[in-house]
Amino acid sequence: EAQVTQNPRYLITVTGKKLTVTCSQNMNHEYMSWYRQDPGLGLRQIYYSMNVEVTDKGDVPEGYKVSRKEKRNFPLILESPSPNQTSLYFCASSLTGELFFGEGSRLTVL
Amino acid sequence: KQEVTQIPAALSVPEGENLVLNCSFTDSAIYNLQWFRQDPGKGLTSLLLIQSSQREQTSGRLNASLDKSSGRSTLYIAASQPGDSATYLCAVQANFNKFYFGSGTKLNVKP
Repeated sequence: EAQVTQNPRYLITVTGKKLTVTCSQNMNHEYMSWYRQDPGLGLRQIYYSMNVEVTDKGDVPEGYKVSRKEKRNFPLILESPSPNQTSLYFCASSLTGELFFGEGSRLTVL
Repeated sequence: KQEVTQIPAALSVPEGENLVLNCSFTDSAIYNLQWFRQDPGKGLTSLLLIQSSQREQTSGRLNASLDKSSGRSTLYIAASQPGDSATYLCAVQANFNKFYFGSGTKLNVKP
């Protein structure tokens, strides 16, 4: 089954404790991206990747890092999480412009 | 920067009614427009993708239209059902790398 898989789905952590949210897709898509969804603000792009080893900032990259060492994986790294990074995070992939989303990762930073 | 607006923010209709959801965008230079459905606590499910050269797309009871020149798209849902209750989002692909989303319309279909 074609899918985008994110882990963990739910996470509660404390300020400053590094965490990684993994994202994997099995559709051989070149484009992958991360979004955060906040009430009243919609989805905002954090980072995107056009292909392996090619990543770039989206509209809200501050406090986040990404890497793309393999085509299928695109982890989101929060080096020192802060409470304003509490949000619902989505990973998405695309080959021809149609976006396919993961189920989301709800992150709470205390 | 592209801005995407969806009106209304919420809509409640009785079962069986035909309804229209609206999406507007400020820059007509888009690659495509995509409509999604989001259920509470879930990811986004793609409903319809309209390429910039197309005027509309249909899937079952859903029909989406695109008018690039006026910066508008509509999602038409025929014979609505309680199972259609969800939040509907539109997104435009502004260039090869960037996608911009509306805040969504929360639809409630009452039995």
